[in-house]
Amino acid sequence: NAGVTQTPKFQVLKTGQSMTLQCAQDMNHNSMYWYRQDPGMGLRLIYYSASEGTTDKGEVPNGYNVSRLNKREFSLRLESAAPSQTSVYFCASSVVDSPLHFGNGTRLTVT
Amino acid sequence: GQQLNQSPQSMFIQEGEDVSMNCTSSSIFNTWLWYKQEPGEGPVLLIALYKAGELTSNGRLTAQFGITRKDSFLNISASIPSDVGIYFCAGPVLGTYKYIFGTGTRLKVLA
Repeated sequence: NAGVTQTPKFQVLKTGQSMTLQCAQDMNHNSMYWYRQDPGMGLRLIYYSASEGTTDKGEVPNGYNVSRLNKREFSLRLESAAPSQTSVYFCASSVVDSPLHFGNGTRLTVT
Repeated sequence: GQQLNQSPQSMFIQEGEDVSMNCTSSSIFNTWLWYKQEPGEGPVLLIALYKAGELTSNGRLTAQFGITRKDSFLNISASIPSDVGIYFCAGPVLGTYKYIFGTGTRLKVLA
């Protein structure tokens, strides 16, 4: 049972480059989330999608875009990466009113 | 925005000791979640609480939903080396699907 799968696991970008982080879940969950984790800051919500076809901003959306491609997939795009976006990115999913299930993260470094 | 304040930030304890940590908010929550994160992995759910005053156990872990609905507590009894990790509280902002997280308590257990 794969759960939440994130790709890639590691990525190094130069400032100004773009990339898309992929997330897929096989649990038939309605809601999907993107968080970033920085030392001492906990997990901060970037964007979420309560259901297929909807997306909403979280606490730190600036510099990111998302696409809920279908019920299974929710991607996060950095159009022009900045060093401040160096972080570990986690995708999560849930059914309504149930706890989040997380992937194992994408470790992104922007130089 | 809303914040979840966790304390302590970090703890160093001897194997066999009991551990207590807590999470507070200025706003009420209808759900409190406790997660554990080990190095290189995503957070994993430990305990979910859905009712004010609720006390729930999972093995050596016990969590309580505060009666004011603005706080929650996690206790670990008789700690062992594999308890090492970061413990996060989390909850959905009232009336939304937006889950926010505390800044975490980093636990180290000395054998």
